[in-house]
Amino acid sequence: DAGVIQSPRHEVTEMGQEVTLRCKPISGHDYLFWYRQTMMRGLELLIYFNNNVPIDDSGMPEDRFSAKMPNASFSTLKIQPSEPRDSAVYFCASSNTANYGYTFGSGTRLTVV
Amino acid sequence: AQSVTQLDSQVPVFEEAPVELRCNYSSSVSVYLFWYVQYPNQGLQLLLKYLSGSTLVKSINGFEAEFNKSQTSFHLRKPSVHISDTAEYFCAVSGGSNYKLTFGKGTLLTVNP
Repeated sequence: DAGVIQSPRHEVTEMGQEVTLRCKPISGHDYLFWYRQTMMRGLELLIYFNNNVPIDDSGMPEDRFSAKMPNASFSTLKIQPSEPRDSAVYFCASSNTANYGYTFGSGTRLTVV
Repeated sequence: AQSVTQLDSQVPVFEEAPVELRCNYSSSVSVYLFWYVQYPNQGLQLLLKYLSGSTLVKSINGFEAEFNKSQTSFHLRKPSVHISDTAEYFCAVSGGSNYKLTFGKGTLLTVNP
């Protein structure tokens, strides 16, 4: 089991550019979560999916953020346009209803300059 | 709504000393409780969890936590720490039909020789 795979590991982009973060959950997991981690706010849940359907996106900070899960093995988080305050580590995690407790990916460190 | 309070942002200890990392939660429904550990530049890893049954739960590397419903606490303990335990530890809560986890701000455990 390769675990939850996120790409890229690091992303540096200029303000105003579009950024796409990618996540491949563990096979068989039916929940997928996107979190953002910053020193100021800690871990914030942005959005989560169940069986590829978005369940709660109340944590998405603004319309510049969007997330999709076109199939059970892939999800994206897009920021358009990006701003310096979006700089953070973005984590994807997956789980299933039979076994509470998430498995996290290694994260994407985003720097917007 | 549910919340988690980790009372100490940093805990420095000497190697082989005992340690306790404190966690209190609030929730209006029955809860599931978790401790995660994050090593530098890595994602979060599940350390241990309480879902039901025995209120004392243990990890494979010597940590344990006790669910105390009356005090709404889930403190993490280890009788003798190692240098390799240096990491950030996060307490998290999930309640009722709400499958998402709410995390505390984290406690940085630093083990000194």
